[in-house]
Amino acid sequence: DVVMTQTPLSSPVTLGQPASISCRSSQSLVHSNGNTYLSWLQQRPGQPPRLLIYKISNRFSGVPDRFSGSGAGTDFTLQISRVEAEDVGVYYCMQATQFPFTFGPGTKVDIK
Amino acid sequence: EVQLVESGGGLVQPGGSLRLSCAASGFTFTDHNMNWVRQAPGKGLEWVGRIKNKVNSYTIEYVASVKGRFTISRDDSKNSVYLQMNSLKTEDTAVYYCAREVSGSLDFRGQGTLVTVSS
Repeated sequence: DVVMTQTPLSSPVTLGQPASISCRSSQSLVHSNGNTYLSWLQQRPGQPPRLLIYKISNRFSGVPDRFSGSGAGTDFTLQISRVEAEDVGVYYCMQATQFPFTFGPGTKVDIK
Repeated sequence: EVQLVESGGGLVQPGGSLRLSCAASGFTFTDHNMNWVRQAPGKGLEWVGRIKNKVNSYTIEYVASVKGRFTISRDDSKNSVYLQMNSLKTEDTAVYYCAREVSGSLDFRGQGTLVTVSS
């Protein structure tokens, strides 16, 4: 199985400041069709997960442009340009290149 | 508006069975592969399995820990996907979400349904 790791696991941030989360996969996430199925999801407290970014860098419908994704191969990054109070929660990276789909352990983002 | 409404959770004894349902609305159900994902209390997300759509021959995949015990099915006439869970274990205790597959990722819209396996 593809193992997903995330750093940091906890990230206290100041409102209005940037935040960055790294995700690394144990194998390349480049699919045989050329796509890289690496996504980022947000889970606010008491809420279901919400899709933010798909295929490394594509923002899903309704996602604010302060969220951006980058990376390639096995190393990926989610950036929040200016953290807002509503961004508090746990962020997961997920790969859907290979079965079984797997998630990172999650990074908890909260306000300092 | 896209909606996914999970139901069927509850308390069940180890070794028992439960059938979860997920009712979809607000999108063309037959265009999408459908997935089940679970989250144990206070833990992260675990993908359980997927059923593709008719165009993709309803192909099904499972995570190893549920293979042989869980069965995913769908009824396109009812815009619904199901998760039949047999031989339940305490470690199956979790909130179960269904999610539609979009552009190689998962779109969650429901609150999930809680399954508790305990004697």
